[in-house]
Amino acid sequence: RKEVEQDPGPFNVPEGATVAFNCTYSNSASQSFFWYRQDCRKEPKLLMSVYSSGNEDGRFTAQLNRASQYISLLIRDSKLSDSATYLCVVNRPTSGTYKYIFGTGTRLKVLA
Amino acid sequence: GAVVSQHPSRVICKSGTSVKIECRSLDFQATTMFWYRQFPKQSLMLMATSNEGSKATYEQGVEKDKFLINHASLTLSTLTVTSAHPEDSSFYICSARKAYEQFFGPGTRLTVL
Repeated sequence: RKEVEQDPGPFNVPEGATVAFNCTYSNSASQSFFWYRQDCRKEPKLLMSVYSSGNEDGRFTAQLNRASQYISLLIRDSKLSDSATYLCVVNRPTSGTYKYIFGTGTRLKVLA
Repeated sequence: GAVVSQHPSRVICKSGTSVKIECRSLDFQATTMFWYRQFPKQSLMLMATSNEGSKATYEQGVEKDKFLINHASLTLSTLTVTSAHPEDSSFYICSARKAYEQFFGPGTRLTVL
């Protein structure tokens, strides 16, 4: 079982739809959490950090449930430009430092 | 800001040659940088953690003699793929740590013929 699990998709949704992605992590020592966006053949770019209280950035809302070790991302009013792979990332301690653990990503395709 | 550059962005080489990839933090100093590899339709896999002034820490299964890492300054880490083979063809991405975040370079696409 992978340390960070995501549904690979693809999620094909029409423009304007609301779509939700889920992610689970297995290491309870994980400290911080992020959603990254990766376009085809490009590097990942930070979309938003995820906080226990939940946080929102425009059309994007992220939630963290530490008890269930579950992270979610909600995208409202999807745009064509939202089409990408969304990576769930967990930052956890290891050997006196921290490292990022990436999920395999969820592919989103927003259709006109 | 926190900008990380990588060079080259793309390289095609013959089997058996060595390829060096540079990763630079342009507007901040990074004592720790990371090297990842991503195969098609897969996630980023951490290869090694590069520490300025000391030896890199390699992940399990990554050959340190094949993937040489040097982090000689606070703004530069290099990854050398020695005696590259076609199975080393991949997208190599570096990142640099600033506080508790990592900032990613644009990646280097390596194709070994």
